[in-house]
Amino acid sequence: QSVLTQPPSASGTPGQRVTISCSGSSSNIGRNTVNWYQVLPGTAPKLLIHSNDQRPSGVPDRFSGSKSGTSASLAISGLQSEDEADYYCATWDSSLNNWMFGGGTKLTVL
Amino acid sequence: EVQLVESGGGLVQPGGSLRLSCAASGFTFTNYVVNWVRQAPGKGLEWVSQIPRHTRAMYYAESVKGRFTVSEDSAKNSVYLQMDSLRAEDTAVYYCAREDCSGGSCHGFDVWGQGTLVTVSS
Repeated sequence: QSVLTQPPSASGTPGQRVTISCSGSSSNIGRNTVNWYQVLPGTAPKLLIHSNDQRPSGVPDRFSGSKSGTSASLAISGLQSEDEADYYCATWDSSLNNWMFGGGTKLTVL
Repeated sequence: EVQLVESGGGLVQPGGSLRLSCAASGFTFTNYVVNWVRQAPGKGLEWVSQIPRHTRAMYYAESVKGRFTVSEDSAKNSVYLQMDSLRAEDTAVYYCAREDCSGGSCHGFDVWGQGTLVTVSS
């Protein structure tokens, strides 16, 4: 069981806005920034959001991140079929000196 | 082109050893933090190990501590993961990933290798 809790699944129709939550604790999300990764089937993870809400160059502005207290969220607006993937949150845990990943959320575009 | 290429995966018996390599091109490894992350079949991402830059100590996940050792060769611009006493639950695709920690803060794992499959089975 992951230290960071994500819903196992999420879904939406094309054009909709969906959000994925990530819940942690004071030793991880409460103290450090959160990153989000997208994993398409059979491919390496891709960095979507870093430092809670920063998009690397090349990531569409449809993707946005936020953090409040010990929770973080990834929002995807204008949902597209190619957004169908697994999404993971990640943050450093200062008590364990470990990176922690959430359990992952499988996004289905209906 | 900035790139990471892993190699060294394969089939190994329980209790055996394997050494994974991660070769960098297009940038100098020693300017970045390097992490190993794995994904077991049908499972999520699991962080394995890190070579930090602010301390000589390496970091390991509890699940591999005492069995895995991370190292680097700056002359070859490569990082290695020595895996000993392998178990069935270590079966996974192993990725190396670059973490940019310039400017006093870190900005996520921005470059990943293609991964190398390790299968531990008799």
